[in-house]
Amino acid sequence: GAVVSQHPSWVICKSGTSVKIECRSLDFQATTMFWYRQFPKQSLMLMATSNEGSKATYEQGVEKDKFLINHASLTLSTLTVTSAHPEDSSFYICSAPGRTSGRTDTQYFGPGTRLTVL
Amino acid sequence: DAKTTQPNSMESNEEEPVHLPCNHSTISGTDYIHWYRQLPSQGPEYVIHGLTSNVNNRMASLAIAEDRKSSTLILHRATLRDAAVYYCIPASDTGANSKLTFGKGITLSVRP
Repeated sequence: GAVVSQHPSWVICKSGTSVKIECRSLDFQATTMFWYRQFPKQSLMLMATSNEGSKATYEQGVEKDKFLINHASLTLSTLTVTSAHPEDSSFYICSAPGRTSGRTDTQYFGPGTRLTVL
Repeated sequence: DAKTTQPNSMESNEEEPVHLPCNHSTISGTDYIHWYRQLPSQGPEYVIHGLTSNVNNRMASLAIAEDRKSSTLILHRATLRDAAVYYCIPASDTGANSKLTFGKGITLSVRP
């Protein structure tokens, strides 16, 4: 089946710094990718839809100037958390549409990136 | 988005079948019912999806009520590795390009 990777898997940074998270589709192309955030003991919340070659679409309440998304190629989308603060500490997960070996269209999720802001 | 209701948690014994219910009474006529699961500290993974007919794959079976207001994910023989949070998600088309709205899910514990 399709594989989505994320880098880094975890990061610790100081308050006020920016952090970039990469999401790659390893063996397929994705014109669309999705970014989610998950706080401890809570469910995933969709942050934005990343579109290759165009601007991302953000969900209501998500600050687009704080969470910069760049989808510059068919296999890579990046999420940059700018001027991170402790409240941005979370588990960030991306997903991309793909096809299973059984020819089912579905979404493949990355393993997640755990961000801790001190 | 259609709302879903699932029990908070369920327990099962290893190698026994598990039936995970989900109510989605406001589902639209064209929404598919998707099930994903999330193992601890990992991203979700696709389990199964269906529209009207019951579905089977190597991971599980999906039984969909005739009125489509509820569905049940069936794990035929639970293993320790099946301990996870299971989400049922109504979504348009096949879900590949749909925004998925995750509810709280149901936490499955499997006893050895």
